[in-house]
Amino acid sequence: DGGITQSPKYLFRKEGQNVTLSCEQNLNHDAMYWYRQDPGQGLRLIYYSQIVNDFQKGDIAEGYSVSREKKESFPLTVTSAQKNPTAFYLCASAGTGNQPQHFGDGTRLSIL
Amino acid sequence: AQSVTQPDIHITVSEGASLELRCNYSYGATPYLFWYVQSPGQGLQLLLKYFSGDTLVQGIKGFEAEFKRSQSSFNLRKPSVHWSDAAEYFCAVGPNSGNTPLVFGKGTRLSVIA
Repeated sequence: DGGITQSPKYLFRKEGQNVTLSCEQNLNHDAMYWYRQDPGQGLRLIYYSQIVNDFQKGDIAEGYSVSREKKESFPLTVTSAQKNPTAFYLCASAGTGNQPQHFGDGTRLSIL
Repeated sequence: AQSVTQPDIHITVSEGASLELRCNYSYGATPYLFWYVQSPGQGLQLLLKYFSGDTLVQGIKGFEAEFKRSQSSFNLRKPSVHWSDAAEYFCAVGPNSGNTPLVFGKGTRLSVIA
């Protein structure tokens, strides 16, 4: 079945450590997105990519980095510069023509 | 700048009662509008979308929404709520071209009591 796979489901980060969250889609979608979700805050956009080898910062990009080397993959790295990384991270993708975004099941990141 | 307001943070309804979740948007052009639902610890699932045409749109799980341009609203409704509808609901708005990211409201949490 087509869909978006996020891994791992749970992730723990030590102080000063970078961690990478995986997002893979087999929907042949051009656009991919990363959101951060905190209680009562809704979804806040971190980064998005509309095409391979190109991406743009969202509203809260500081302390995060991404790459888009393949159409199906859009990994997110939470760097040590992100001082409050504890959150639920959601990856989404969308086809052309402003089709609805499809979401993965999320990764919950916590601090050790 | 575009924005979405969901005025109700938390709503509690009795099973079998009707439901209306409010969504107001601010957008400079004709928007695309969406409602998503999220169960705890899960991703978001699309309930319905409005692009153009009939202002009353039907979605999955018995939900519907009505686009009212004069009121900049896109309220979600269901005539009879089931316990399994307890979840968080998000309204979102986007442009009618390209893949510019959607803007999401902060969500409304729905609780269903017996």
